[in-house]
Amino acid sequence: EVVLTQSPGTLSLSPGERATLSCRASQSVSSSNLAWYQQKPGQAPRLLIYGASNRATGIPGRFSGSGSGTDFTLTISRLEPEDFAVYSCQQYEKAPLTFGGGTKVESK
Amino acid sequence: QVQLQESGPGLVKASETLSLTCSVSGYSIGSGYFWGWIRQPPGKGLQWIASIDHSWTTYYNPSLKSRVTISVDTSNNQFSLNLNAVTAADTAVYYCARDKPSGIFEYWGHGTLVTVSS
Repeated sequence: EVVLTQSPGTLSLSPGERATLSCRASQSVSSSNLAWYQQKPGQAPRLLIYGASNRATGIPGRFSGSGSGTDFTLTISRLEPEDFAVYSCQQYEKAPLTFGGGTKVESK
Repeated sequence: QVQLQESGPGLVKASETLSLTCSVSGYSIGSGYFWGWIRQPPGKGLQWIASIDHSWTTYYNPSLKSRVTISVDTSNNQFSLNLNAVTAADTAVYYCARDKPSGIFEYWGHGTLVTVSS
């Protein structure tokens, strides 16, 4: 199965700063079949990005995704207070569907 | 607006069967899309369990396949998960979700915590 490794495990930043999250796949995820989710405590994941770079409906423009092959990045251009959460990547290129372990973005 | 809601026992004894139902509103599950179950052990990452498509073809995570069944009840607009021979490792928050499709989960239920007791 495709193993997704996210780094860093925790990112400590202040509101207004830029966040850069990494997701590395153990095998090439061709066709950029990679998604990003945001999850707040006690809540279900929320789809942010699919196809590596396409924002889901209603997602603000400060969220952007990039990458291909085995290396993918989620960027939050300027952190808003509501952006502090855990972010997980997921590949849907190969069965079984797999998720990364998550990166926690916390307020410094 | 599509909404999903999980229901089922919050406590299951080890070696028994975990049974959950996902009730869907705002969309008829027989009309299309894929429908899936994902779980998250406490403090850990997400794990896809199984999905079913609008032709009722099922897809399972190989690591759980021998113990899992996903099914649909179109008359009640619900789909279900059965996981048998549970152990403490099956303790998790279980989510149901609608696939965008292609494996992208666009709509999620709130999740339900299932604890396996010995």
